[in-house]
Amino acid sequence: DAGITQSPRYKITETGRQVTLMCHQTWSHSYMFWYRQDLGHGLRLIYYSAAADITDKGEVPDGYVVSRSKTENFPLTLESATRSQTSVYFCASSDPGGVGTDTQYFGPGTRLTVL
Amino acid sequence: KQEVTQIPAALSVPEGENLVLNCSFTDSAIYNLQWFRQDPGKGLTSLLLIQSSQREQTSGRLNASLDKSSGRSTLYIAASQPGDSATYLCAVRIIQGAQKLVFGQGTRLTINP
Repeated sequence: DAGITQSPRYKITETGRQVTLMCHQTWSHSYMFWYRQDLGHGLRLIYYSAAADITDKGEVPDGYVVSRSKTENFPLTLESATRSQTSVYFCASSDPGGVGTDTQYFGPGTRLTVL
Repeated sequence: KQEVTQIPAALSVPEGENLVLNCSFTDSAIYNLQWFRQDPGKGLTSLLLIQSSQREQTSGRLNASLDKSSGRSTLYIAASQPGDSATYLCAVRIIQGAQKLVFGQGTRLTINP
């Protein structure tokens, strides 16, 4: 399917477990992002990537790890999940210099619950 | 640190009304500003993007304005419809932040038939 997809859409896990959220885009956009959305905080940037093998921290990176070996994939790993990481996670991508320059396109989100 | 505020947090109006959503930001050094729509349980959809050199952008019944010097943007929705019910978020791209966006917390809009 064309566009940006996330999997799983829903995940329940336990404190201390490792969890990986997947993000895949079919546009070959150079930039990809991970956000979390929480009541009272809005959307906050966790990590972003400007290209394959280039990643950088956002506003709330602690407890998360990312990698980007291929342009189209940008997985987010919670190495040891905590209850405070219960949230809705959104992946996004953008293509600076292309049509609709700077527009970020969002995936449908993953609702993660840490018990 | 850039902060983005959207007031009101929620708004309910009857169908057919014209309405304005507000967004303010603390640092005028922005690269651009985007308005997004979010439906319940869904991701964000970009509605309009205004570059810092622009004053407004229009798409159909939507018009977004930007006054960078005063740190304000408005989203005008003409002839509102029940299908416009959603949460509307604004976000600014900060110049120092290589594609990074800072979001407001959104305005939840309800259009009553």
